[in-house]
Amino acid sequence: EPEVTQTPSHQVTQMGQEVILRCVPISNHLYFYWYRQILGQKVEFLVSFYNNEISEKSEIFDDQFSVERPDGSNFTLKIRSTKLEDSAMYFCASSESPPGNHEQFFGPGTRLTVL
Amino acid sequence: EDQVTQSPEALRLQEGESSSLNCSYTVSGLRGLFWYRQDPGKGPEFLFTLYSAGEEKEKERLKATLTKKESFLHITAPKPEDSATYLCVGPSNTGKLIFGQGTTLQVKP
Repeated sequence: EPEVTQTPSHQVTQMGQEVILRCVPISNHLYFYWYRQILGQKVEFLVSFYNNEISEKSEIFDDQFSVERPDGSNFTLKIRSTKLEDSAMYFCASSESPPGNHEQFFGPGTRLTVL
Repeated sequence: EDQVTQSPEALRLQEGESSSLNCSYTVSGLRGLFWYRQDPGKGPEFLFTLYSAGEEKEKERLKATLTKKESFLHITAPKPEDSATYLCVGPSNTGKLIFGQGTTLQVKP
């Protein structure tokens, strides 16, 4: 069964360092998303991406965040200068249909720890 | 403000003891409602999509229903393996998902 994969499963970094979180969406999906979940809190939307551009972003997704689809399979989230409050689980998701019409499938997540 | 609210926050059941989880929502441009299951340290796992009031979906011991303002997830004769956090999620018309805080279910043998 097709699934979304994410690497690494756990990333530890020092405050101020850059991190890149990687995702491989389901192969025939065209819409891609990043969400995050701070420990004990709700899952929060960060950004959606379609046709090589950002469709929507939340107020959390400020200038230190960027997304990219560098090739036909990977989808990445970059945090340029990590802060302590960036520590969270980051989930990638993908869907095959236009937003709102179809469910999104989530990867297992990357746990980011900023020290 | 777009909001999805779930109750209760936590629920402890004995194996075989049926119950229901509640979800109320106010999401502008709402296009249906999703239920997901999340195990500790894992990503949300899709369970159901409900599109219109009166609709019902079933999967094993779970049944989801939808009204104009609420959704319910009914769990019939639960087993310990049903223990997880159940997430009610409202997809907005822009595509972003609005998550409830979840109901953490523990089923004891």
